[in-house]
Amino acid sequence: SQQGEEDPQALSIQEGENATMNCSYKTSINNLQWYRQNSGRGLVHLILIRSNEREKHSGRLRVTLDTSKKSSSLLITASRAADTASYFCATLNPTGANSKLTFGKGITLSVRP
Amino acid sequence: DTAVSQTPKYLVTQMGNDKSIKCEQNLGHDTMYWYKQDSKKFLKIMFSYNNKELIINETVPNRFSPKSPDKAHLNLHINSLELGDSAVYFCASSQWGAKNIQYFGAGTRLSVL
Repeated sequence: SQQGEEDPQALSIQEGENATMNCSYKTSINNLQWYRQNSGRGLVHLILIRSNEREKHSGRLRVTLDTSKKSSSLLITASRAADTASYFCATLNPTGANSKLTFGKGITLSVRP
Repeated sequence: DTAVSQTPKYLVTQMGNDKSIKCEQNLGHDTMYWYKQDSKKFLKIMFSYNNKELIINETVPNRFSPKSPDKAHLNLHINSLELGDSAVYFCASSQWGAKNIQYFGAGTRLSVL
């Protein structure tokens, strides 16, 4: 069954603005990851946050995790046209031999120059 | 050098045919995956192999048969192709462990006519 649900499904902003994308999930997780997919390309890992962490930063990316609400958000600051892509959250669960990533449906971000 | 490479990039074929997709990774990872992405961009895991051993088989029809000759290669053979098999198929790899950060190939767009 699908784990992550991103919100909104599509987002259009002006270059320089901040983009906030949300993800909700249903079961307990080991970690939560965000990936980017440019049109016609494979997914690229952006950032990972463990279940015992609340916030992580990487360059212009900031991710938060609220395990009590089973939700995460990805903030891209000072967006650029090159940030135009689809963004997916993915939850890792459980640990061990059957560990797997479950992806949400994705958010399409358009950054207008 | 491409980290995860899959061939072919495009595959157009008739219903009922048999086709194969090949994947190779040069990252030294011990785990490889096949994902299917549908027209709505929903990404779903199909199989995973760890050290050539099948770990995850997500109720995929028997027409799909993965094969891992060694840790660096994971191929996908599909028999009796159906219209519903049309999708983009992604290969990915990771190093087994707590993080499970995955590296994706560029995808194979399969169109069944």
